[in-house]
Amino acid sequence: QSALTQPASVSGSPGQSITISCIGTSSDVGDYNYVSWYQQYPGKAPELLIFDVSNRPSGVSNRFSGSKSGNTASLTISGLQAEDEADYACSSYRSRNTWVFGGGTKVTVL
Amino acid sequence: QLQLQESGPGLVKTSETLPLTCTVSGGSISSSDYYWDWIRQPPGKGLEWIGSIHYSGTTYYNPSLRSRLTVSVDTSKNQFSLQMRSVTAADTAMYYCVRHGVDNVWFDPWGQGTLVIVSS
Repeated sequence: QSALTQPASVSGSPGQSITISCIGTSSDVGDYNYVSWYQQYPGKAPELLIFDVSNRPSGVSNRFSGSKSGNTASLTISGLQAEDEADYACSSYRSRNTWVFGGGTKVTVL
Repeated sequence: QLQLQESGPGLVKTSETLPLTCTVSGGSISSSDYYWDWIRQPPGKGLEWIGSIHYSGTTYYNPSLRSRLTVSVDTSKNQFSLQMRSVTAADTAMYYCVRHGVDNVWFDPWGQGTLVIVSS
């Protein structure tokens, strides 16, 4: 069982917005603004999508946005596109230079 | 452009030691600005952080795996390595080597990963 809780799957139609939740505890998500999100296509390595809760690396579409409230972080994909169909995983720093991940969410574009 | 490449045996017998190496190219592993990490993903499951090392030798380990782990660095070869002892089928996973900055807490870039199967 993963340390952070994500829904197993989320789906939406093209053009819609979807939100993926990432539920942690007061020892990780709730205590640090150090949540990151990763996108992973089948058979490929994960790639950084969001860092420090809401920051996008250069080259990442502004259709991806992150936020946090209390022990829950969220990733929102706006204007859903077919190419967004992938797995998404959250991660949080958890003191003493350790990290925890979520179980991953499969996004399906209907 | 920094690239990381994992290498390992592919198949390891139960109770033996899993050895993996990550070769870094396009940059120096001896930079004081970065830590080098191992992260794994069992088939169909989520990611799990294993541990990290700085070129100075400072290491941090996942508390749940600490007793079975050794992460080391070889600056002369621009490589870092993972040894996981007493493996079981639960250690079957894709193993990734990645980097994170001393002053940041996200992982980028990632190696392509190497699949390790533990079987008797």
